[in-house]
Amino acid sequence: SQTIHQWPATLVQPVGSPLSLECTVEGTSNPNLYWYRQAAGRGLQLLFYSVGIGQISSEVPQNLSASRPQDRQFILSSKKLLLSDSGFYLCAWSVHPNEPRNTEAFFGQGTRLTVV
Amino acid sequence: DQQVKQNSPSLSVQEGRISILNCDYTNSMFDYFLWYKKYPAEGPTFLISISSIKDKNEDGRFTVFLNKSAKHLSLHIVPSQPGDSAVYFCPRGSTLGRLYFGRGTQLTVWP
Repeated sequence: SQTIHQWPATLVQPVGSPLSLECTVEGTSNPNLYWYRQAAGRGLQLLFYSVGIGQISSEVPQNLSASRPQDRQFILSSKKLLLSDSGFYLCAWSVHPNEPRNTEAFFGQGTRLTVV
Repeated sequence: DQQVKQNSPSLSVQEGRISILNCDYTNSMFDYFLWYKKYPAEGPTFLISISSIKDKNEDGRFTVFLNKSAKHLSLHIVPSQPGDSAVYFCPRGSTLGRLYFGRGTQLTVWP
């Protein structure tokens, strides 16, 4: 069966410090991978998605970047964190459909990031 | 993304009764809709989906209705159970598995 691992579960970082959140998926190959963020009082917002190794698409301009060095590894990074980067970050994966269809995404347990 | 709106931030229902969660959308070009449930400090879990070419999909206690003329989507949970208490989202699904979420509705099922 497929599983998704995301760490750490919680993180407190000072403003201006770097960030690296890692996500790995097991039990599937060539998945689509995603990073979402839920800021306080808001819904989940898609930040990045990737359809293959080295392929990253950004949904919103921001202080963050993403990388996919391996097929089942997705990394969210920042060189200098801002207070506004605080939130609940979720990694997700889905199968790689060739056409739009009912493709559900499977989410990790999330990382609670607090920038102080 | 404001193309899908959940106008009720919360809903309180007694155990055993029906819970009806609603979403309205503005763009008729959506491919499909999904419902997710989210507990605090956890990732969302998929519940049920519906293609834009259908008007109903049922899975156990969960039924999703799509009214295309009204641009309205609803999730019915019958009977409601305390374990159903969570935040419910109705993201629209797009190509490449991308999901666009609203703010969700907090459902509370009380004994």
